[in-house]
Formats: sequence, C-alpha cells, structure tokens
Amino acid sequence: DTGVSQDPRHKITKRGQNVTFRCDPISEHNRLYWYRQTLGQGPEFLTYFQNEAQLEKSRLLSDRFSAERPKGSFSTLEIQRTEQGDSAMYLCASSPVGTSGREQFFGPGTRLTVL
Amino acid sequence: AQSVTQLDSHVSVSEGTPVLLRCNYSSSYSPSLFWYVQHPNKGLQLLLKYTSAATLVKGINGFEAEFKKSETSFHLTKPSAHMSDAAEYFCVVSDQTGANNLFFGTGTRLTVIP
Repeated sequence: DTGVSQDPRHKITKRGQNVTFRCDPISEHNRLYWYRQTLGQGPEFLTYFQNEAQLEKSRLLSDRFSAERPKGSFSTLEIQRTEQGDSAMYLCASSPVGTSGREQFFGPGTRLTVL
Repeated sequence: AQSVTQLDSHVSVSEGTPVLLRCNYSSSYSPSLFWYVQHPNKGLQLLLKYTSAATLVKGINGFEAEFKKSETSFHLTKPSAHMSDAAEYFCVVSDQTGANNLFFGTGTRLTVIP
C-alpha cells in the first residue's frame, strides 16, 4: 500500500505525559499537513511542511505542540504535557506541490485519548 | 477568508432514493471546492473536486456536485442511495494562497435506511 500511513492508530495517555505521532506521506509528495478532528467536527488545520520546511502554523498549535519533518519525508507531531482537551483524532495528509486545488491524501489518523 | 457551511448535520434517506447534501461556501477568491467522505475507522477519501473548470462535477460512486456561483453553493447529489453510502460527508474549500490548506465544514452524517 502506498498511501499515507500513521502510527500509532490509537494512543491512550495520562494528563501531563508527552506523546509523539508519526506520519509517512506518499512518496514524492512535497507537502505534508497535520489536522486535528474533535468529535462531531470537521478536521482543522494545524500546520504544514513543504519538504523539510515548516511554512505555516495555525493558532490552534499551542507552544506544547511541535512538528518536524527532518529529511522532507516522514513527519512527527509531539504534544508535551498533554491535557484532556488534546483528546482528538490527529490526521496527516500529503499532496504534491503545485497550483491550488490539489487533492490532499489523508492517512487513517491517530486517535488520542488523554485521561 | 474561506469557509463552508453544511446546512444539515444529519440526513436520512431510504435505499434507492436520491441523496442531497447541502453546502454553501464563502471565499474571497474563485474557490476550489471538494467533497470528502469519511467511513468509520477509515481515512478521508476524496469524492470529487471543483477547480474552476466545468460547473457540474462528477465524482466516484455515482456522486456529483454542481458549483453555483450566484448561490455560493456546492451541493452533493446522488440519484440512488446505496447502503454503502452511509458515512460522514465533508464539504471543503481550499485556501487559495500558496499553502493550499483545506477548510472543512462540520460534516453531514448520511444514514441509509434499508
């Protein structure tokens, strides 16, 4: 399967712990996006990379959140000192760079539960 | 700024009857619009997209949508619902700046009654 993959699929943690998620985009896709989806809502943009450069961050991305894409391939999203409000589905998507209107291909998501 | 409004949070239809999921958009630019579907425990899948070509867009699984600029609408339709169509549907508008970020509606849950 050459789609977007995410690991882990589920994560349960206690409040105050740190968690890290991984996303492997489709090969040769320059752009990688992170979204957060809470129950009953549509996904909300968090941040995106073009190759290894993080070009935009949403106001939703507090100081406790950090994302990296060190070699322009896979990406990690870390949440420090988790809070119950961080419980959500974290989605990763990738797309080739180009003009607007390009489809984003989504992974299955990582569901985070903070107890 | 870009945004979409999905007018119905839940739509219920009988199998074999038409489906209509409503979406209105707001955009400062000529928008790129999408419909994505999300089945339980599966990733988001693109149904169709509009990018300023033909106003009637055909997608996968018999879905289509019509872009109406005068009404700022992009409603999703299907002539005959199938049980496998039961899912969450999202209307999406694309950021027209270089980032190409997606702005999702709140979703419409489609239930298909046998």
